[in-house]
Amino acid sequence: ETGVTQSPTHLIKTRGQQVTLRCSSQSGHNTVSWYQQALGQGPQFIFQYYREEENGRGNFPPRFSGLQFPNYSSELNVNALELDDSALYLCASSDSSSTDTQYFGPGTRLTVL
Amino acid sequence: RKEVEQDPGPFNVPEGATVAFNCTYSNSASQSFFWYRQDCRKEPKLLMSVYSSGNEDGRFTAQLNRASQYISLLIRDSKLSDSATYLCVVNSGAGSYQLTFGKGTKLSVIP
Repeated sequence: ETGVTQSPTHLIKTRGQQVTLRCSSQSGHNTVSWYQQALGQGPQFIFQYYREEENGRGNFPPRFSGLQFPNYSSELNVNALELDDSALYLCASSDSSSTDTQYFGPGTRLTVL
Repeated sequence: RKEVEQDPGPFNVPEGATVAFNCTYSNSASQSFFWYRQDCRKEPKLLMSVYSSGNEDGRFTAQLNRASQYISLLIRDSKLSDSATYLCVVNSGAGSYQLTFGKGTKLSVIP
């Protein structure tokens, strides 16, 4: 069974740029959630995708957007990057029968300069 | 009031000690509760779910008190490998898929 994978592992961008992060869900999982974890904080929910549709969103501005593909993999896009967007971005997958039992990928560490 | 509050830590304990983590949550509609473990610069990993009846997994015991909106985790006979940050996690209400995390409590087990 393949676990959750994310790419890239690290990324450095400058303010104003755009970034796309990628996630492949665990085999058999059809739901993907994205979280932002700032240094010293717990992860914060960004949004969740189920069957290619957004299935809930946390308190993040519209410049955070996402996609889910037919194979259940997902992308997180962030436009107009700000310094405060520097964080670890975590993707978590789950089965629709138990969406609150989520399994995390290793994350993408984004640094905005 | 923060949605999920944990002991600020850090906790530094000797090997073999018993350590308890406490957590309170503000959303009375929350239905699912978890403890996750996060090693330094790694992803969170599910440690255990927490049920009203309490549950135990080896050296780890989790308790939930819905009336007080309080969750606890007890680790007995601490090992060096238990050193990590422990995150208290609740879902945001009935049928909700959104997990809300506490800030985490860092545990260091010392030889």
